[in-house]
Amino acid sequence: AQSVTQLDSQVPVFEEAPVELRCNYSSSVSVYLFWYVQYPNQGLQLLLKYLSGSTLVKGINGFEAEFNKSQTSFHLRKPSVHISDTAEYFCAVNTGFQKLVFGTGTRLLVSP
Amino acid sequence: DTGVSQDPRHKITKRGQNVTFRCDPISEHNRLYWYRQTLGQGPEFLTYFQNEAQLEKSRLLSDRFSAERPKGSFSTLEIQRTEQGDSAMYLCASSSGQGVNEKLFFGSGTQLSVL
Repeated sequence: AQSVTQLDSQVPVFEEAPVELRCNYSSSVSVYLFWYVQYPNQGLQLLLKYLSGSTLVKGINGFEAEFNKSQTSFHLRKPSVHISDTAEYFCAVNTGFQKLVFGTGTRLLVSP
Repeated sequence: DTGVSQDPRHKITKRGQNVTFRCDPISEHNRLYWYRQTLGQGPEFLTYFQNEAQLEKSRLLSDRFSAERPKGSFSTLEIQRTEQGDSAMYLCASSSGQGVNEKLFFGSGTQLSVL
């Protein structure tokens, strides 16, 4: 079965600092990997996805993620965060169509 | 494009009561998904529809749960004889595209509290 692990439940960071949110996946077959963001009282929004090809994937709002097959990781990064990036971030793996398996989420807290 | 709409936003009910949630997908999206998100967890897949056909159900969907999408447009999720363990956010999503280009659009969810 496919699964993802987000080891950090919460990541506090100061505004304009860089951030990395970690995600490790487990799968015996090729995977499609996703990062979603959930702002308070809003639905999940796709940040970026890895399907194939280049291992560095750029998404919206200045986020990027790197697929690392040898380390089975798909960490999310942003070089300089804003207060508005405060949200819950979910890593997910695809198991067929868009039947996604989500991690437990990482709450990013950006303070001034 | 008004996005995926879910109603109600919040529902408080007593244990043993039945509840029904509605999801209106983005028009012309032929796939519709239901997920459940409990506190501190990521969303978990419940079921999905291709047009009006319910193609897959998770083991999480006990016999007390039923979902329909009668005309291939809006969908309802009913929970009978609610239990406190049913308290969660119920998310609906619809999708466009095919295969690897399929993209999900999520609604804001219905927060269920069972007292």
